[in-house]
Amino acid sequence: DGGITQSPKYLFRKEGQNVTLSCEQNLNHDAMYWYRQDPGQGLRLIYYSQIVNDFQKGDIAEGYSVSREKKESFPLTVTSAQKNPTAFYLCASSDSLRSYNEQFFGPGTRLTVL
Amino acid sequence: GNSVTQMEGPVTLSEEAFLTINCTYTATGYPSLFWYVQYPGEGLQLLLKATKADDKGSNKGFEATYRKETTSFHLEKGSVQVSDSAVYFCALKWPGSNDYKLSFGAGTTVTVRA
Repeated sequence: DGGITQSPKYLFRKEGQNVTLSCEQNLNHDAMYWYRQDPGQGLRLIYYSQIVNDFQKGDIAEGYSVSREKKESFPLTVTSAQKNPTAFYLCASSDSLRSYNEQFFGPGTRLTVL
Repeated sequence: GNSVTQMEGPVTLSEEAFLTINCTYTATGYPSLFWYVQYPGEGLQLLLKATKADDKGSNKGFEATYRKETTSFHLEKGSVQVSDSAVYFCALKWPGSNDYKLSFGAGTTVTVRA
């Protein structure tokens, strides 16, 4: 089955630690995205990548880092510089060749800082 | 700037009631418009879309019509079920942009009671 997988589903981190969230897709999509979702709020874009070895900051990139070494993988690192990292993180991908750019989402990772 | 505004929730309904969730946008040009649904603990799924004025998107009994004159894309369903309980997000792809970003509304939580 084609789709997007995120792991782990739940993640706990101590303050001051970096942590990496995994996102893998087998849809052969060029573009990938990371969003943050807080209770009662919409999605806020952290980083996005339109092609391998290239990525851009979204609206709330501070305290986060990404890499895009392979087309199918777009890991997100939440660094200790992120002041309030507890949130639900969603990864998405889209086919750059489709004009309406529907995004497909993974099941999400819930990060809790202890 | 480009933005999406959707009706604040939460919305609580009885089964078989009529559901409307308002969504309006501000954008120069003609964006592509989407409704996404998020079931509890899951990622987002595309519910329906419209890519040009007067298009009607429909899926699972839900409908939304792209109204250029009122810059709106209201979501409707004639008879809701308990299984429709979810968070609904309106989104748009910024017109004229060279990237594939989507701008999301804050989300509307819908609870359907038996």
